[in-house]
Amino acid sequence: SQTIHQWPATLVQPVGSPLSLECTVEGTSNPNLYWYRQAAGRGLQLLFYSVGIGQISSEVPQNLSASRPQDRQFILSSKKLLLSDSGFYLCAWKVDREGEKLFFGSGTQLSVL
Amino acid sequence: AQTVTQSQPEMSVQEAETVTLSCTYDTSENNYYLFWYKQPPSRQMILVIRQEAYKQQNATENRFSVNFQKAAKSFSLKISDSQLGDTAMYFCAFMKLANDYKLSFGAGTTVTVRA
Repeated sequence: SQTIHQWPATLVQPVGSPLSLECTVEGTSNPNLYWYRQAAGRGLQLLFYSVGIGQISSEVPQNLSASRPQDRQFILSSKKLLLSDSGFYLCAWKVDREGEKLFFGSGTQLSVL
Repeated sequence: AQTVTQSQPEMSVQEAETVTLSCTYDTSENNYYLFWYKQPPSRQMILVIRQEAYKQQNATENRFSVNFQKAAKSFSLKISDSQLGDTAMYFCAFMKLANDYKLSFGAGTTVTVRA
């Protein structure tokens, strides 16, 4: 079966520190992958997406970057975190045979202090 | 860019009763998909229901059904026989065809089911 793993579940980081969030999909190949951010009590904002290895599209200019070093691995990074980077980060994926819908990971709550 | 609007920040419903959540969207596209996602306190995003714009028939999934009004660009969700486990934040989302399957979300409606 297909599953998505996202870690860590929670993270507290000081301002100016680096960030690396990882998302891995199992049981499928060549998925579309997405990073969304949810501010407290708000909807989801698309940050980055990838349709293949090494292919990254950025939706919102910001302090973050994304990489896809392997087919089923999607990484969200920052060199220096800002207070405004705090939020709930969700990885999502789409596979062809599941139709036009996205499935989501369990998310990472990032607090920048 | 597509705009999705959920005008009800919070709603409360008695257990076993029905609640309807509203959603409107703005697009110039003719073919697209609409979704309702549920986010319970665990914060896991769960797909509730999906509607293809080219289908006139409203989608249903057990106690969940939608009222899709394409001309009015309206997509409401009805939860029938509400259960305590339905307590969650509900998000309406839009997906344009041939756009790498990106979803645009509304701000969400928090639904509380009272015992």
